[in-house]
Amino acid sequence: ELKVEQNPLFLSMQEGKNYTIYCNYSTTSDRLYWYRQDPGKSLESLFVLLSNGAVKQEGRLMASLDTKARLSTLHITAAVHDLSATYFCAVDTGSGNTGKLIFGQGTTLQVKP
Amino acid sequence: KAGVTQTPRYLIKTRGQQVTLSCSPISGHRSVSWYQQTPGQGLQFLFEYFSETQRNKGNFPGRFSGRQFSNSRSEMNVSTLELGDSALYLCASRNVRGETQYFGPGTRLLVL
Repeated sequence: ELKVEQNPLFLSMQEGKNYTIYCNYSTTSDRLYWYRQDPGKSLESLFVLLSNGAVKQEGRLMASLDTKARLSTLHITAAVHDLSATYFCAVDTGSGNTGKLIFGQGTTLQVKP
Repeated sequence: KAGVTQTPRYLIKTRGQQVTLSCSPISGHRSVSWYQQTPGQGLQFLFEYFSETQRNKGNFPGRFSGRQFSNSRSEMNVSTLELGDSALYLCASRNVRGETQYFGPGTRLLVL
C-alpha cells in the first residue's frame, strides 16, 4: 500500500532563512501535489507535479519531483511570517488521475520574526 | 467561478445518531472525493464518485457511505456515529482532465 512520509513534521525558522521540506512515497506514482492549510481552514492547492524532473515555483516556494527516487521537495526561500501554515504533500494512488490521494502527515511551518 | 461548497459547516451529534453531509462541486467538475481529517490519523481518503458511480473507496467501515447525484452534487452519510468520527470532513472536486483537486471549506463534526 502506498505510504507518504514527510519530514520534518515541525519546522520553526527565522524570517529570511531558507529551508526544505521532504516528501517520500513508497510506490510508483506520476502525480504529486502540494497543499497548504492554515489553522481551522481547508486545503489550498499550491503545486501539481506531473513528471520526473518537474519543477514549479510560486513566490518564495519551489517544488520539485524526482520519480526515480520517489522524492519531492518543497523549498522555502527567505521565509516570511505569512508562510506559517501546515504543508501537505499528496500522491495519486493509481497510474493516472484517479482522484484518490494519499497524504503525508503534514509539516507545520512556523516562521518567527 | 464559485468554489466547492459544503453544508453544514459545523455539526454536533451524539453517539448512535446518523449524519448526512453535502458537497457541491465546482461547476463542470464531475469527480467528487471525500476525506476525513483528524489530529491522530491525518488526512484519509474516504471515497470518490464520478458520474454517480463510486470509483474508489478508502479503508473505512460500512457505516460510511456516499452517493452522487446527476448534477454532480454529492452526499456522504455516517450511520451509528462513534466518538472517533469527530473530524473535519473535506470534499474535493476536479475536472477529470484537470490537474488538481479543489477542496471545500469542510464540515466540522463533533460527536458527543
